[in-house]
Amino acid sequence: QQQVKQSPQSLIVQKGGISIINCAYENTAFDYFPWYQQFPGKGPALLIAIRPDVSEKKEGRFTISFNKSAKQFSLHIMDSQPGDSATYFCAASRGGATNKLIFGTGTLLAVQP
Amino acid sequence: DADVTQTPRNRITKTGKRIMLECSQTKGHDRMYWYRQDPGLGLRLIYYSFDVKDINKGEISDGYSVSRQAQAKFSLSLESAIPNQTALYFCATSDYRDRSEQFFGPGTRLTVL
Repeated sequence: QQQVKQSPQSLIVQKGGISIINCAYENTAFDYFPWYQQFPGKGPALLIAIRPDVSEKKEGRFTISFNKSAKQFSLHIMDSQPGDSATYFCAASRGGATNKLIFGTGTLLAVQP
Repeated sequence: DADVTQTPRNRITKTGKRIMLECSQTKGHDRMYWYRQDPGLGLRLIYYSFDVKDINKGEISDGYSVSRQAQAKFSLSLESAIPNQTALYFCATSDYRDRSEQFFGPGTRLTVL
């Protein structure tokens, strides 16, 4: 059962445009929502994360928007650059002693020059 | 030097063979994880360990086993490899003091013929 649903599967954006990737979750116990970025031949790396006590978090050109009532969160990449071309994974985890991340299926982003 | 290393980086093996993937970390983290990545399925947790004496199954542990030889070393074994275990395998670590971020190794691409 897919607990974190991610869309789209792939995305092509022109340089300077806005890239938007969406995720939806089912488990209301989730309290941490990170986004990981993966370049070809590399492992995923944490990009930005949010907790449900805020509706938005911004770090440079990357913004997470969080809608607790809809159980949805999204990644916005402003002024997208070719160097942003990568696979992006959303994830979620719940409170407690464990740190098990439930990942979405990934979005392959291509930013065309 | 990389904080999380995986060996081998690539491996081709035959059905029925036993194979071990190794992970080492210099981050001093107590928590270690094994994931597999498949196209369209994202990252799925195989096993995780919170210390040398603690091993836990993830969502897809069947056909796999693990060993935590030391705080810095966590190996994944395929007892009798089968073709549908062909995938990209990642090791990750995290610190109990910050249960949020996981740090991934560069991955091992495994092909089972």
